Amino acid sequence: GEDVEQSLFLSVREGDSSVINCTYTDSSSTYLYWYKQEPGAGLQLLTYIFSNMDMKQDQRLTVLLNKKDKHLSLRIADTQTGDSAIYFCAVAKSGGSYIPTFGRGTSLIVHP
Amino acid sequence: EPEVTQTPSHQVTQMGQEVILRCVPISNHLYFYWYRQILGQKVEFLVSFYNNEISEKSEIFDDQFSVERPDGSNFTLKIRSTKLEDSAMYFCASSVGTGVGSGEQYFGPGTRLTVT
Repeated sequence: GEDVEQSLFLSVREGDSSVINCTYTDSSSTYLYWYKQEPGAGLQLLTYIFSNMDMKQDQRLTVLLNKKDKHLSLRIADTQTGDSAIYFCAVAKSGGSYIPTFGRGTSLIVHP
Repeated sequence: EPEVTQTPSHQVTQMGQEVILRCVPISNHLYFYWYRQILGQKVEFLVSFYNNEISEKSEIFDDQFSVERPDGSNFTLKIRSTKLEDSAMYFCASSVGTGVGSGEQYFGPGTRLTVT
C-alpha cells in the first residue's frame, strides 16, 4: 500500500522560510494534501495540489510537487510563531472515497 | 464557523472494557470518518460512513469496532473489548461529499484513549 514519509521535527527562526518535505511511494496518487494541527485542535486542511501540477502558491504557502521523485514540499514564507504546529502530508487516489494516507507529521517549532 | 466536536477529550479505560467515542459532525455533511493515531505513529484510516452504512473500512477496523449514527447529529465509534494497543488519539472527520470540491474533510480535535 501507499507509504508517506516526512521528517519529524523542524526548527526555524521567526521571519525565515520553512520547508517541510514529504515523500510517497504510490505514483498513482492524485491528490496531495497538507494539514496543520495546532495543540488541542483537529487537523486543518491547509492546501492541496493535484498530481498534474508542479506548484501551487497560496499567500505565504508554496507547495512544490516533483512527481518523478514522488516528493512533495510545503514552504512557509516569513514564518511566524503562530505557524508552530504539526504539519501532516497526506496523499489520496482518485476514484472511490479519496481517503488520504497520512505521514507521521512534522513538528514545526518557530523561535524568536 | 462550524466545526466537528468530539467527546470526551480524554478517556481512560481498563483492558477488556467497552468504550464509546462520540463525535458531532458538521450539520450539512454527509460523509463521516474515524481515524486513529498511535503515539509517534501515522494517522491511520479506520472507517468511512455514508447513508447509514459503512462505505469503506481498513484492515484495522475488525469485529471489535463498530460505528453508528444513533440520531441526526451524533456519530459514534464503539470498541467492544479494549486492548492495550487500542491506546491512541481517535479523530473524527466529516465532509460534504467525496472528491474535488466537496471531499475536504474537517477534523475534530480528537479523543485520547488510554487503555490500562
